[in-house]
Amino acid sequence: GAGVSQTPSNKVTEKGKYVELRCDPISGHTALYWYRQSLGQGPEFLIYFQGTGAADDSGLPNDRFFAVRPEGSVSTLKIQRTERGDSAVYLCASSLDPNGSPLHFGNGTRLTVT
Amino acid sequence: QKEVEQDPGPLSVPEGAIVSLNCTYSNSAFQYFMWYRQYSRKGPELLMYTYSSGNKEDGRFTAQVDKSSKYISLFIRDSQPSDSATYLCAMRGTGTASKLTFGTGTRLQVTL
Repeated sequence: GAGVSQTPSNKVTEKGKYVELRCDPISGHTALYWYRQSLGQGPEFLIYFQGTGAADDSGLPNDRFFAVRPEGSVSTLKIQRTERGDSAVYLCASSLDPNGSPLHFGNGTRLTVT
Repeated sequence: QKEVEQDPGPLSVPEGAIVSLNCTYSNSAFQYFMWYRQYSRKGPELLMYTYSSGNKEDGRFTAQVDKSSKYISLFIRDSQPSDSATYLCAMRGTGTASKLTFGTGTRLQVTL
């Protein structure tokens, strides 16, 4: 597609539930990133994929968060046992390569945990 | 103290004004500096991308980096109502292409 696509655009879930957030990067981009943006804050790094492997997951806040990219294209961010503090906009970005090419962001998934 | 500091605003200016947006940072390892524009309920959109110190101009936008002062700026000339958005500075070091560190963003309102 023309840009990074994220689905769903909005997700409301109850505390304790499991959610999956999907990211479809720009075709041909090998690097994929997940960031989280809380209200009034800048995006914060979560995890980065080069191809199928997670090259850096140091930003994941705890083991309830997990992400996969099994075929080196689409990625899914998975959150188990959601907490109200997980409410935020989850942004996905992709870049042509991981060596400094600019990041192109999707419009995010707005997650609300009630 | 945050690695990147940015005044959240809001900043309100009349149409046609010159806008100055700024960030300071503490990590001397940062070498690459970016400005993103974010409209409400949209993802950040890259405006400017610069390496090390100096100026870069693109249309009505000029980015300045002063590494000695750990200070970066974005100037918008002839501001338009369509420039109303949140402006985020972002930066990274060499060898850390995966991790951008963002400021909190400055909300700009350009009024008619």
